[in-house]
Amino acid sequence: TQLLEQSPQFLSIQEGENLTVYCNSSSVFSSLQWYRQEPGEGPVLLVTVVTGGEVKKLKRLTFQFGDARKDSSLHITAAQPGDTGLYLCAGRYSSASKIIFGSGTRLSIRP
Amino acid sequence: GAVVSQHPSWVICKSGTSVKIECRSLDFQATTMFWYRQFPKQSLMLMATSNEGSKATYEQGVEKDKFLINHASLTLSTLTVTSAHPEDSSFYICSAPVGFEQYFGPGTRLTVT
Repeated sequence: TQLLEQSPQFLSIQEGENLTVYCNSSSVFSSLQWYRQEPGEGPVLLVTVVTGGEVKKLKRLTFQFGDARKDSSLHITAAQPGDTGLYLCAGRYSSASKIIFGSGTRLSIRP
Repeated sequence: GAVVSQHPSWVICKSGTSVKIECRSLDFQATTMFWYRQFPKQSLMLMATSNEGSKATYEQGVEKDKFLINHASLTLSTLTVTSAHPEDSSFYICSAPVGFEQYFGPGTRLTVT
């Protein structure tokens, strides 16, 4: 059972378009991270959100943590080919330190 | 940010042999490290939690006798895949927590022939 569901699983869009990736769970997380992974490499941390309703911006990327701390979204404005990669959300439960990864969203930006 | 290294970055071994993968925290101490496995086009699946000075905690369905984990110091955890088989071929990634965040190694690609 996947505890963190991401949608969509795959997304291919034209350069310059906007997109949103969703990460949903029935569980409450003490913190949630978003990572980007290139083929053959480890995930690279993009952001950590810890407060319900929190919004963080990283250049063209906007991350939001749901009020109930069960879901999150990643919005990319004016996507560029360099944004191509596997985007992973990951949550950490209040009572444990291990992180559980979402199912992943493979993003492809066409020039 | 914190840096985690892995060695080797890739390894090819014959079926039935054992392979050891090292995970090091380079600029911080890690009492806990995590080992993940990732199959092509899939997300990361947690295999086990490595605890310095004590036994590792394995996730359900992961054979502890096949995937031996040793966390002998505050900067080093090792994963040994024993009697490897082709189905063990995968991308193995370790991570270490720093506060709320996790920092990942670059991964080790294991191919068992």
